[in-house]
Amino acid sequence: GQQVMQIPQYQHVQEGEDFTTYCNSSTTLSNIQWYKQRPGGHPVFLIQLVKSGEVKKQKRLTFQFGEAKKNSSLHITATQTTDVGTYFCAGLYTGTASKLTFGTGTRLQVTL
Amino acid sequence: DTGVSQDPRHKITKRGQNVTFRCDPISEHNRLYWYRQTLGQGPEFLTYFQNEAQLEKSRLLSDRFSAERPKGSFSTLEIQRTEQGDSAMYLCASSLARAGGSYGYTFGSGTRLTVV
Repeated sequence: GQQVMQIPQYQHVQEGEDFTTYCNSSTTLSNIQWYKQRPGGHPVFLIQLVKSGEVKKQKRLTFQFGEAKKNSSLHITATQTTDVGTYFCAGLYTGTASKLTFGTGTRLQVTL
Repeated sequence: DTGVSQDPRHKITKRGQNVTFRCDPISEHNRLYWYRQTLGQGPEFLTYFQNEAQLEKSRLLSDRFSAERPKGSFSTLEIQRTEQGDSAMYLCASSLARAGGSYGYTFGSGTRLTVV
């Protein structure tokens, strides 16, 4: 079936360090979206990537979509305590309309 | 209308009882989704609507679960004869889908169900 896996499951960094989470699908994606969920909160949409090899930046966040459209990454430069939360990738598979399949998530903890 | 509203925020029910949750999406959005999330997991798809039509329902969903979206506005999710395994956060989301592509979901704050 369609599955989206993320690694690592959890990462603890010191404030100012960089952070990267990786997302992999067993089959080709139509597009991929990233969400952030703060502790006790609900997922909040960050960005959508559609094209093969696409790279998008939002301030300290850099998102990449693989050439084969099967993997993606989110890189945060110089983390801050406000980056704490769980980051989910969510893939849209061809023929599934707009139904997203969410990844397992990477929980980021940032300490001073 | 500033977002997706869900009601109630919390629900505690006894095993075997029926429960119903409500979701009010962003009015301009034509798609509405229900997801379920347990601790430490990503949201799991349950069902979705385009306007008033229910287009897909997860095969993992038992017949005890039913959802409606009368008139293409708000939606309700009903769980009959609740079981302890139904305890989870039930998330509603809406999005705008056009011929040119899809857009990100806007999630509500969720309804946390506890079955005792």
